[in-house]
Amino acid sequence: DPKIIQKPKYLVAVTGSEKILICEQYLGHNAMYWYRQSAKKPLEFMFSYSYQKLMDNQTASSRFQPQSSKKNHLDLQITALKPDDSATYFCASSQDAGGYEQYFGPGTRLTVL
Amino acid sequence: QQQVRQSPQSLTVWEGETAILNCSYEDSTFNYFPWYQQFPGEGPALLISIRSVSDKKEDGRFTIFFNKREKKLSLHITDSQPGDSATYFCAALASSGSWQLIFGSGTQLTVMP
Repeated sequence: DPKIIQKPKYLVAVTGSEKILICEQYLGHNAMYWYRQSAKKPLEFMFSYSYQKLMDNQTASSRFQPQSSKKNHLDLQITALKPDDSATYFCASSQDAGGYEQYFGPGTRLTVL
Repeated sequence: QQQVRQSPQSLTVWEGETAILNCSYEDSTFNYFPWYQQFPGEGPALLISIRSVSDKKEDGRFTIFFNKREKKLSLHITDSQPGDSATYFCAALASSGSWQLIFGSGTQLTVMP
């Protein structure tokens, strides 16, 4: 059974719209992260959360907002979508704080038209 | 500014050979270096990792050699198999307290049968 679930697998959106990417982990981990992978750049860190508290935000734009309703959930809301937001978004988690041993989900591939 | 560099960009070896993937970094405060394996359409999978207090880490056919003084590390895959064909990412953990992994651009490995 998959331990990190990301929904949906594929997502197509129009410019200016808003979407929510879902992430749930069943590893019993206390820290969760979001990363982005595009054709132009290596995997890029976006956010880190620990016990539902934001620990770090490396995303310059406020259009990206993580949302944590439960310890094992970390969704990503993206507003006012732009074509440059097209990428695969990966959720990850680790047992403890500190960033060691991060495990990644299967990703959500977002295309903005 | 790319803080983690990987070479070569692509590598082809024959089945049974040893594949050597290289990685270098700039920030001397980096202290944890995981390698991830990624197949098309999947998320990165944690393969093996090393902390800066060690100079070698082995796990089956996968070995990391680490040179702290030169800020270099390499991943050796012995007895390469066609199933090892994937993209391999070297990453480094930023020690600034943000828990973010900084990724290289990857090496695409092809193992010919």
